[in-house]
Amino acid sequence: GAVVSQHPSRVICKSGTSVKIECRSLDFQATTMFWYRQFPKKSLMLMATSNEGSKATYEQGVEKDKFLINHASLTLSTLTVTSAHPEDSSFYICSARGSARVTDTQYFGPGTRLTVL
Amino acid sequence: AQKVTQAQTEISVVEKEDVTLDCVYETRDTTYYLFWYKQPPSGELVFLIRRNSFDEQNEISGRYSWNFQKSTSSFNFTITASQVVDSAVYFCALSEARAAGNKLTFGGGTRVLVKP
Repeated sequence: GAVVSQHPSRVICKSGTSVKIECRSLDFQATTMFWYRQFPKKSLMLMATSNEGSKATYEQGVEKDKFLINHASLTLSTLTVTSAHPEDSSFYICSARGSARVTDTQYFGPGTRLTVL
Repeated sequence: AQKVTQAQTEISVVEKEDVTLDCVYETRDTTYYLFWYKQPPSGELVFLIRRNSFDEQNEISGRYSWNFQKSTSSFNFTITASQVVDSAVYFCALSEARAAGNKLTFGGGTRVLVKP
């Protein structure tokens, strides 16, 4: 299957700082990438959808100014959590899809565990 | 709106037992796609299967099998002769063809614990 990487796998930061998480598709070009958030023992919640070269589409209730998403190339999307607070602590997972075709499967990265002190 | 329900939050079995995970979905679309993903303790979601709404054939892959029934809007997943390595959270997901960006809607997940 397709490989998607995320970096870093774990990050601990102080409240008020910003954290950048990278998501890369390693062996295919991802026209669309998705960012999810997962709380302990909960399901995945979609935060935003990003298409290469255009602005991300955020889900209702997700602050676009707090969670900045950039999809500058067909293999890289970044999520920046700005002015992080303890309530932003979570497991963030990205996924990538190979083309705009409806049938293409989303392949997921290994996730990034963010802890804000 | 689309919705996926996994009624079983946790299932515990002894190794070599079979285990079936239920998934019921709701959608107004006639064209849609159903998925199962496995999330082991490491956290990474592993793709297991995709099924489109026009293909109701059941599928078997090794110890895994899937039963898709449109009449009951269900897409159940069975692990035969379970092994300890099957311990994970399993998510069923739905994507509607007309949904903007073809977003995935996930069920709540079923945690499977296989004891030796």
